[in-house]
Amino acid sequence: GAGVSQSPSNKVTEKGKDVELRCDPISGHTALYWYRQSLGQGLEFLIYFQGNSAPDKSGLPSDRFSAERTGGSVSTLTIQRTQQEDSAVYLCASSLTSGTYNEQFFGPGTRLTVL
Amino acid sequence: AQTVTQSQPEMSVQEAETVTLSCTYDTSESDYYLFWYKQPPSRQMILVIRQEAYKQQNATENRFSVNFQKAAKSFSLKISDSQLGDAAMYFCAYRSGGGTSYGKLTFGQGTILTVHP
Repeated sequence: GAGVSQSPSNKVTEKGKDVELRCDPISGHTALYWYRQSLGQGLEFLIYFQGNSAPDKSGLPSDRFSAERTGGSVSTLTIQRTQQEDSAVYLCASSLTSGTYNEQFFGPGTRLTVL
Repeated sequence: AQTVTQSQPEMSVQEAETVTLSCTYDTSESDYYLFWYKQPPSRQMILVIRQEAYKQQNATENRFSVNFQKAAKSFSLKISDSQLGDAAMYFCAYRSGGGTSYGKLTFGQGTILTVHP
């Protein structure tokens, strides 16, 4: 079946603009995760959703970052008033549930460049 | 908070040889899981192998095996009979078995593996 997909693959924006990054998880997966991969910070957790439970937002670096998941499927990560330090690859993953035994399947990521 | 450390930024190996990638972690938890992920240039993270902390036996997946030393908090990955397709960035990752950190992966800094023909 289809894997996790993300769009756009690459995004170039100007400092101060808002951007939206999209993630389509594997069908039937109830857990969805966002991670950020940057040169300075490595790979870091941002947020995760599990079913209808309140999301774990503990990794969001500032209030400029937000995410939502509509209908328990597609998720959008929004970054407002982008800064140059937001430049990174944003990875999305999904798993059947958030249980530790369930493998997280990753998408190919969105490379965000803030000029 | 849990931390994961990979002390080898880069490693290289000859095709068909064996290479070991190192990983150490710090945690006060007793219930957790450890993973090795591979990230080729395509950026897509692929799970290589996982280890449940409660299991004493080291996990093995074909040419990939781990050396899990719980007391030393060490989790190394051994790749046998290395192939050109093994060239990638490898990440060690930790996941809690419960509590407030449940669900998310904590990653090490990564090791770039080069395979020479």
